[in-house]
Amino acid sequence: KQEVTQIPAALSVPEGENLVLNCSFTDSAIYNLQWFRQDPGKGLTSLLLIQSSQREQTSGRLNASLDKSSGRSTLYIAASQPGDSATYLCAVSRGSGGYQKVTFGTGTKLQVIP
Amino acid sequence: EAQVTQNPRYLITVTGKKLTVTCSQNMNHEYMSWYRQDPGLGLRQIYYSMNVEVTDKGDVPEGYKVSRKEKRNFPLILESPSPNQTSLYFCASSLGTYTGEKLFFGSGTQLSVL
Repeated sequence: KQEVTQIPAALSVPEGENLVLNCSFTDSAIYNLQWFRQDPGKGLTSLLLIQSSQREQTSGRLNASLDKSSGRSTLYIAASQPGDSATYLCAVSRGSGGYQKVTFGTGTKLQVIP
Repeated sequence: EAQVTQNPRYLITVTGKKLTVTCSQNMNHEYMSWYRQDPGLGLRQIYYSMNVEVTDKGDVPEGYKVSRKEKRNFPLILESPSPNQTSLYFCASSLGTYTGEKLFFGSGTQLSVL
């Protein structure tokens, strides 16, 4: 059974700092890994999707890396801003009986202090 | 605008009173899924559908029903809600089923069962 772990559960940083969020998973047989952002009372917004054949993806100030062999992914946020405050979730996707089975981590709650 | 629409956003009900949470997507996606999110447990899959009239159980299907009569709609039915079904519910969809696709989420339904 796939297990996805995100450490730390919460993180508080001053504005402008670069930071790294971590995600680890137990089964390396994945299709892809996605990073999501969740704001309070709102749904999840996909930030980056890394296919299993890729090593990293970038979007603006965000960079996500994937190391399948070690079962790890990192989300790097450059020059953090108060608007980045949210909960960040990673999710891994794998095949299961012919369909996409997605397993989520429990998230890292990020607070960026002005 | 491409989106997944859930209704209602908030729902308070009493034990045993049947309810339906609707989900609709306008992206012609094949794959749709329901999740519940509980503190400390993350998102857990309730049911999923690979296409019209094709549905199957996720990790926590007890007490729930679904149907997929049209490609765009995937309602979640609680025939006899109980307090342990108090949770935040999300509907999600993706284009494909077999290769690992980006997930799009609705805004969520906060359900309270008294």
